[in-house]
Amino acid sequence: GDSVTQMEGPVTLSEEAFLTINCTYTATGYPSLFWYVQYPGEGLQLLLKATKADDKGSNKGFEATYRKETTSFHLEKGSVQVSDSAVYFCALSDRGSTLGRLYFGRGTQLTVWP
Amino acid sequence: DVKVTQSSRYLVKRTGEKVFLECVQDMDHENMFWYRQDPGLGLRLIYFSYDVKMKEKGDIPEGYSVSREKKERFSLILESASTNQTSMYLCASSPESGGSYEQYFGPGTRLTVT
Repeated sequence: GDSVTQMEGPVTLSEEAFLTINCTYTATGYPSLFWYVQYPGEGLQLLLKATKADDKGSNKGFEATYRKETTSFHLEKGSVQVSDSAVYFCALSDRGSTLGRLYFGRGTQLTVWP
Repeated sequence: DVKVTQSSRYLVKRTGEKVFLECVQDMDHENMFWYRQDPGLGLRLIYFSYDVKMKEKGDIPEGYSVSREKKERFSLILESASTNQTSMYLCASSPESGGSYEQYFGPGTRLTVT
C-alpha cells in the first residue's frame, strides 16, 4: 500500500544553517506529494506541494523536488531561522483514488537555535 | 481563506463518558477527515467522509464513530472514552477537484481522559 518514510528527528540546527529533511514514498498510483508544517500549539499548514514528476514546490525559502526515479521528496532550506522551529510532515495522495486521503510520515521535529 | 474550526482546543473527560468532537468547514468541501496525533506515531487516520451521510473507516477506527448530517460539519464520537484515547485530535477538509487533494486542517483538540 501507499506509505511515506521520513527522516527521524529531532533535528537541531543553528540559525542560518542548511536544512535537509529526507522523505521517500511508496505508491501504487501517481501520487501528489506534500510537505506540511505544524507550529507549536497549532494544526497543520500546507508548506508546499508537487503534483507530478520533476515538479519543484517552493514556499517561504523551502523547496522540494518530486523525484520519481528515487521515489523521494526531500525538503531543503538554505538558511534556517529560529521561526522555522516546528514539526514537518511529508505526505502523499494517490491521484488515482477518488477518496482523497493523505498518507503521512511520522513527522520530524526541527529546533533552530539563535 | 479556507477555515476549519474545531469546537474545543482543550477537553478533559472521565473514563466511560461519551465525548463529541465537532468540526466545521466553511468552503463547501466534499471530503472531511479525523486524525489523531501522538508523539512518535505521526498522524493516524480514524475516519473520513466524502459526502453527507457517507463515511469510511481509516486505519484506527476502533472505539470511535462519526456523523456527517450536513456537508460542513463532521463529528467524531467516542462512545465510552478510555485513557488510551488521550491524544490530539485533528480535523481536516479537502475539495474533490483536480486530484491533488490538498487538505486544510483545524487547530486541533487536545483531549485528556482521566
